[in-house]
Amino acid sequence: EVQLMESGGGLIQSGESLRLSCAASGFTFSSHAMIWVRQAPGKGLEWVSTITASGDGTFYADSVKGRFTISRDNSKNTLYLQMNSLRAEDTAIYYCPRGRGNNNYVDYWGQGTLVTVSS
Amino acid sequence: DIQLTQSPSFLSASVGDRVTVTCRASQDMSNHLVWHQQKPGEAPKVLIYAASTLQSGVPSRFSGSGSGTEFTLTISSLQPEDFATYYCQQSNSYPITFGQGTRLEIK
Repeated sequence: EVQLMESGGGLIQSGESLRLSCAASGFTFSSHAMIWVRQAPGKGLEWVSTITASGDGTFYADSVKGRFTISRDNSKNTLYLQMNSLRAEDTAIYYCPRGRGNNNYVDYWGQGTLVTVSS
Repeated sequence: DIQLTQSPSFLSASVGDRVTVTCRASQDMSNHLVWHQQKPGEAPKVLIYAASTLQSGVPSRFSGSGSGTEFTLTISSLQPEDFATYYCQQSNSYPITFGQGTRLEIK
């Protein structure tokens, strides 16, 4: 069974940093691209970042480019999101869905971790 | 960037109804579309990928169609557990984008 477990969220002050983790199990982690998607309270879904299966390619939304860094450790089956210079508008639930296929279709979602940035 | 516009944004329907949600893209994206369902307080769940392929475990009353710039999600006979918010999402090109969502409520 595919399982994705996000962690690392919490309450943090504007301007500070936070690192999220996503522990994967139930599949060959190193064969799949991984994605971060967020959802602000009461709002829709917003793509944040994608990393290729090997980790050699990364993509970012303009809203986080230069502040967030996606990475992965395939030996630990873990995905990360380093978030720096956090802003109030980064407040959201952060999910780490899995990608599949050449076009990295999202096929499984984790339960998410809440990040609250206080100004 | 590919913009996705869903219609309607809000839909009221009854158990047993057939409902259709439309997702229109601002440019041709072949069939690289995913439909997600999200219930209040829960993570999203994938229903359909590649525009028309049913995700494993998803009931057959859900179906998807379309290619290019117009896509539809159809629920053939609404069940109580289907009342939720539905999002389309394109994976044709970066940045990945989502539609604004369609909230399906019980009439």
